[in-house]
Amino acid sequence: AQSVTQLGSHVSVSEGALVLLRCNYSSSVPPYLFWYVQYPNQGLQLLLKYTTGATLVKGINGFEAEFKKSETSFHLTKPSAHMSDAAEYFCAVWAETGRRALTFGSGTRLQVQP
Amino acid sequence: DAGVIQSPRHEVTEMGQEVTLRCKPISGHNSLFWYRQTMMRGLELLIYFNNNVPIDDSGMPEDRFSAKMPNASFSTLKIQPSEPRDSAVYFCASSAGQGNGYTFGSGTRLTVV
Repeated sequence: AQSVTQLGSHVSVSEGALVLLRCNYSSSVPPYLFWYVQYPNQGLQLLLKYTTGATLVKGINGFEAEFKKSETSFHLTKPSAHMSDAAEYFCAVWAETGRRALTFGSGTRLQVQP
Repeated sequence: DAGVIQSPRHEVTEMGQEVTLRCKPISGHNSLFWYRQTMMRGLELLIYFNNNVPIDDSGMPEDRFSAKMPNASFSTLKIQPSEPRDSAVYFCASSAGQGNGYTFGSGTRLTVV
């Protein structure tokens, strides 16, 4: 069965600083990988996804993530944090085995300090 | 497109009462998912449907929980009887295919007192 580990339940950065949110996955078959963002009192919104092809994927709001098979990682980055990026971020994995539905990590809450 | 629509947005009920949560998926999406979100357990998959058929309900915590999808445009999640530990945010999501990811509704915040 697939699983996702997000390192760091809380990350705090200064406005304008690099954002790095870590995600490692476990899957016995090639996975699809996703990042979602959740703002307070809202549902989850898709930021970006990796299915096949180019390992560096770009998403909305200036975020990007790189699929590294050798490291089983899919870390989310943004060069310069904005106050509006403050939210909770979830990494998710899907694979053609097991429950065949998205499995989510425990989430990372991003704080952006002025 | 109006997205995935859930109702009600908030529900407060007394222990022992029946609660019904509703979801309208995006037209054309053939998969529908019910998730529960709590601080302690994060996002848990409860059940999902493909083409209105329940595929995996192994996440449904107890027999008190049941879900139906009578047609492609409507699904319900019912809790009977409700208990305080059922308090959570319940999300419905739909998908046109796994590679596309899911579109989530805004959720129903359930409080059982």
